[in-house]
Amino acid sequence: GIQVEQSPPDLILQEGANSTLRCNFSDSVNNLQWFHQNPWGQLINLFYIPSGTKQNGRLSATTVATERYSLLYISSSQTTDSGVYFCAVGAAGNKLTFGGGTRVLVKP
Amino acid sequence: GAVVSQHPSWVICKSGTSVKIECRSLDFQATTMFWYRQFPKQSLMLMATSNEGSKATYEQGVEKDKFLINHASLTLSTLTVTSAHPEDSSFYICGQAGGGTDTQYFGPGTRLTVL
Repeated sequence: GIQVEQSPPDLILQEGANSTLRCNFSDSVNNLQWFHQNPWGQLINLFYIPSGTKQNGRLSATTVATERYSLLYISSSQTTDSGVYFCAVGAAGNKLTFGGGTRVLVKP
Repeated sequence: GAVVSQHPSWVICKSGTSVKIECRSLDFQATTMFWYRQFPKQSLMLMATSNEGSKATYEQGVEKDKFLINHASLTLSTLTVTSAHPEDSSFYICGQAGGGTDTQYFGPGTRLTVL
């Protein structure tokens, strides 16, 4: 099956800092999503981005499908950005394979 | 995006009992729902794919007789953990895709603790 690796595994930021999270995957995909899991466990959809670049407020994402990686950018981080960020990819049948996640802590 | 609900949000049960978790699609018909399990500080692992009106497809290593899935309607899928044991304690999350999009949306999850 598809392998998904996220880096870094942990990230500590000072409020206001910028950061980049990376997701590498081992095979061609037709679905790639970024999620933020809040402290209560809810997965919040950030981006559906199998290719290209998207932006939503302070967050943006870029997927280079030919090179099998995606990047999530967080700008001007806030304490509410803390949590775990997951990248998940899918090939056929809508099944998603999740990466190991990046645990982000934003300090005030 | 799609709205998915789960019930209960948390449950504590004794070893040997069965627990049913419901996953509902509130704003569109989901022909396919997915059940995931997440252990503390780990990622989500797909357990099974639930197809409306047919048998679920289980991932390798997941016991179909222990984790019973029923998808009787386009808006409801249930996961029953039969004869639960402490090692089944986990966070169970359902997801759905549909409505003409590949984007998958997730319920708020159910935290199961087996004593």
